[in-house]
Amino acid sequence: EAGVAQSPRYKIIEKRQSVAFWCNPISGHATLYWYQQILGQGPKLLIQFQNNGVVDDSQLPKDRFSAERLKGVDSTLKIQPAKLEDSAVYLCASSLEVSGSSYEQYFGPGTRLTVT
Amino acid sequence: QKEVEQNSGPLSVPEGAIASLNCTYSDRGSQSFFWYRQYSGKSPELIMFIYSNGDKEDGRFTAQLNKASQYVSLLIRDSQPSDSATYLCAVNNDYKLSFGAGTTVTVRA
Repeated sequence: EAGVAQSPRYKIIEKRQSVAFWCNPISGHATLYWYQQILGQGPKLLIQFQNNGVVDDSQLPKDRFSAERLKGVDSTLKIQPAKLEDSAVYLCASSLEVSGSSYEQYFGPGTRLTVT
Repeated sequence: QKEVEQNSGPLSVPEGAIASLNCTYSDRGSQSFFWYRQYSGKSPELIMFIYSNGDKEDGRFTAQLNKASQYVSLLIRDSQPSDSATYLCAVNNDYKLSFGAGTTVTVRA
């Protein structure tokens, strides 16, 4: 079974530029998550999709971050404009369903963003 | 108050010893609890999850949950150098995971 795919793996941009990340979840996984992990901290949930609908985006800085999941499969996360404090690893995760023992989340390799 | 707190590391243990990791959480309504392992520069991978009070064993790993004390722990028996990593505690509230900052474990040969 193929895992969660993310691209790019690394990105360096200047502040005020824009950037986009792509995620392809495990086949058949209905739920998709985007996390931000700052160095030395645990992952912080930015947005959660169930199929192509948003379940939770309470911690997404909506003035600069946006995300979409078209057709309930792939997802993109965009930052525009980027700030220095956005430097982090952006992790995508997916789970089969949001219930009971099928809740386990599987993480992709992440995209390491550096904003200079 | 942080939602999920883990004992600060780093934790250094000799090979073959038991590593004990602790995690407390603030939301009494939390439903399930997960331990992830994260190697440096890699993404988190699930080790264990636990829903009910008591112990759950899987190989060299044992998770312990005490909901009354809002406490969950992970024991790693017969620690190996390959266990050197950061261990993240995650708490599920309404199918949203809140992560602790992690405890870094170093197993010295």
